[in-house]
Amino acid sequence: NAGVTQTPKFQVLKTGQSMTLQCAQDMNHEYMSWYRQDPGMGLRLIHYSVGAGITDQGEVPNGYNVSRSTTEDFPLRLLSAAPSQTSVYFCASRGAVSGNTIYFGEGSWLTVV
Amino acid sequence: DQQVKQNSPSLSVQEGRISILNCDYTNSMFDYFLWYKKYPAEGPTFLISISSIKDKNEDGRFTVFLNKSAKHLSLHIVPSQPGDSAVYFCAAGGSGGYNKLIFGAGTRLAVHP
Repeated sequence: NAGVTQTPKFQVLKTGQSMTLQCAQDMNHEYMSWYRQDPGMGLRLIHYSVGAGITDQGEVPNGYNVSRSTTEDFPLRLLSAAPSQTSVYFCASRGAVSGNTIYFGEGSWLTVV
Repeated sequence: DQQVKQNSPSLSVQEGRISILNCDYTNSMFDYFLWYKKYPAEGPTFLISISSIKDKNEDGRFTVFLNKSAKHLSLHIVPSQPGDSAVYFCAAGGSGGYNKLIFGAGTRLAVHP
């Protein structure tokens, strides 16, 4: 029962490098999203998707790209990493069968130096 | 401007007593509220939710109260147990899509023997 799986769990990047955080869910959920968690800020929505081929911006989308080519996968791309993107990133999903409950992955710790 | 506020960053409670975690919101369009619990190095896990048409929802030791006129909700844990020690996030969603949850900054609960 995998649920929402994120990789990598830890990553250190140099400023200006690009990378992709992977997210996969095996619950056939329509909705997927990415949040970042910073001290004293709670969880802030970066991007979300309501289904394959459909994505939209959240509260803090700048510096990130997403795509949703399949129902299962929702990768988050950092185009040119900046120290301000040092954070913990959570992928989440929700489906009709789960009602309004969002399920989160275990998180990806990213440090940009 | 934070739409969901948890004004107490931390709370310490003795085992067996009641824990009360508070949350205030500003957007009257929110119609669904959730509480998530988060342990270190793990993703948030869903705890309990409440719809705006209700003023109370109970699940075992956990009860959420909603006061719409005051735009305030609270989570009661009775009796508190050491395993309840975690960070608790309040989240709110509206008709724009429950995927777009807005989270508070969290309250760290410590339950001591």
